[in-house]
Amino acid sequence: DAGVIQSPRHEVTEMGQEVTLRCKPISGHDYLFWYRQTMMRGLELLIYFNNNVPIDDSGMPEDRFSAKMPNASFSTLKIQPSEPRDSAVYFCASSSHGRVKYEQYFGPGTRLTVT
Amino acid sequence: AQSVTQLDSHVSVSEGTPVLLRCNYSSSYSPSLFWYVQHPNKGLQLLLKYTSAATLVKGINGFEAEFKKSETSFHLTKPSALMSDADEYFCVVIDPGTASKLTFGTGTRLQVTL
Repeated sequence: DAGVIQSPRHEVTEMGQEVTLRCKPISGHDYLFWYRQTMMRGLELLIYFNNNVPIDDSGMPEDRFSAKMPNASFSTLKIQPSEPRDSAVYFCASSSHGRVKYEQYFGPGTRLTVT
Repeated sequence: AQSVTQLDSHVSVSEGTPVLLRCNYSSSYSPSLFWYVQHPNKGLQLLLKYTSAATLVKGINGFEAEFKKSETSFHLTKPSALMSDADEYFCVVIDPGTASKLTFGTGTRLQVTL
């Protein structure tokens, strides 16, 4: 299995631009998670999906952030408009409670820099 | 609410000596706890997990952790450090209600010297 795939690996954009991060979970996993990692706040859960349905988005910082999961093999995290304080590493993870419960498999992350 | 506290932000050991990374937890329930390792510019990898079975948990790469309820601790140990163990380590607790939401500690960066 290829593991969780994220793209792009690096993104540099100017303030005010729209940014879209992409994630392909491991095939057969029914949970998908988006995390953000910063020096100040560490690793934070932003939102997670179960069977393509958003379950908890209480970690999404504000309305500029949105996430979708149109099908079981693809999810996006969008920031519009982006701001310098959004600069962070964004991780996607997936898991399957039907197999190894609790274990989340992480992608390599997208390093976002907003100038 | 569940939380974990990693007591050291940096730990430095010599190659071949024991490793101890400390983690205390706070939980209203019997917690499920994990240790993850983060490789530079890569994602996180699960080292080991405690889910109310045996209190001494063995993981990958020779690491193990012991759940001590009386001390509310879940310290990560390894008998003999390798240079390749130098990474950042996170203690993590899971929300028992959802069995999905992870709360991460602040991380401990392990340095291994010759």
